[in-house]
Amino acid sequence: GQNIDQPTEMTATEGAIVQINCTYQTSGFNGLFWYQQHAGEAPTFLSYNVLDGLEEKGRFSSFLSRSKGYSYLLLKELQMKDSASYLCAVMDSNYQLIWGAGTKLIIKP
Amino acid sequence: DADVTQTPRNRITKTGKRIMLECSQTKGHDRMYWYRQDPGLGLRLIYYSFDVKDINKGEISDGYSVSRQAQAKFSLSLESAIPNQTALYFCATSVRQNTGELFFGEGSRLTVL
Repeated sequence: GQNIDQPTEMTATEGAIVQINCTYQTSGFNGLFWYQQHAGEAPTFLSYNVLDGLEEKGRFSSFLSRSKGYSYLLLKELQMKDSASYLCAVMDSNYQLIWGAGTKLIIKP
Repeated sequence: DADVTQTPRNRITKTGKRIMLECSQTKGHDRMYWYRQDPGLGLRLIYYSFDVKDINKGEISDGYSVSRQAQAKFSLSLESAIPNQTALYFCATSVRQNTGELFFGEGSRLTVL
């Protein structure tokens, strides 16, 4: 079966750096996506990786290793507004998105 | 105003009732999707549509039906609601095929008693 694993919850301190991991086992691979979802709101697209390596976008970076079935989202200079759930999703060989359950990130002052 | 609008935002209903959730978009996207989100689970695809004449079942279509009335409108129906359909439902759009960049509506929280 297809599976996306990410930690259920993480806590970090304002101003610090946090890394949210995602491992996947899917039927084929056509890209990995990270979304941010604030409580009670819609998910919003953050990043896309299809090749191995690091993609940087401001304070957020996303890394992919296809051979290891692994990705992480790195958030730097954490702000209170970064408190949210972060969803990892993989597009499989049928171009269907398989979603992880999300990681709830709690930022403390 | 939101580009992807869902109505109603919240609905409480009873077992056996018919419910319709509506989605409209102003993004001009051809592709529209309905997902449900449950605590501890990833988003699960119910139905998707690549244009007005194209409707496809997703992972969990049983108990649901959809209608694509126009490019901008995609509605989800529960013909006879049951308690395990209590969930947060999201409509989403995408600009092209085979992209994982989706644009989500604000969500419709449905409670079936």
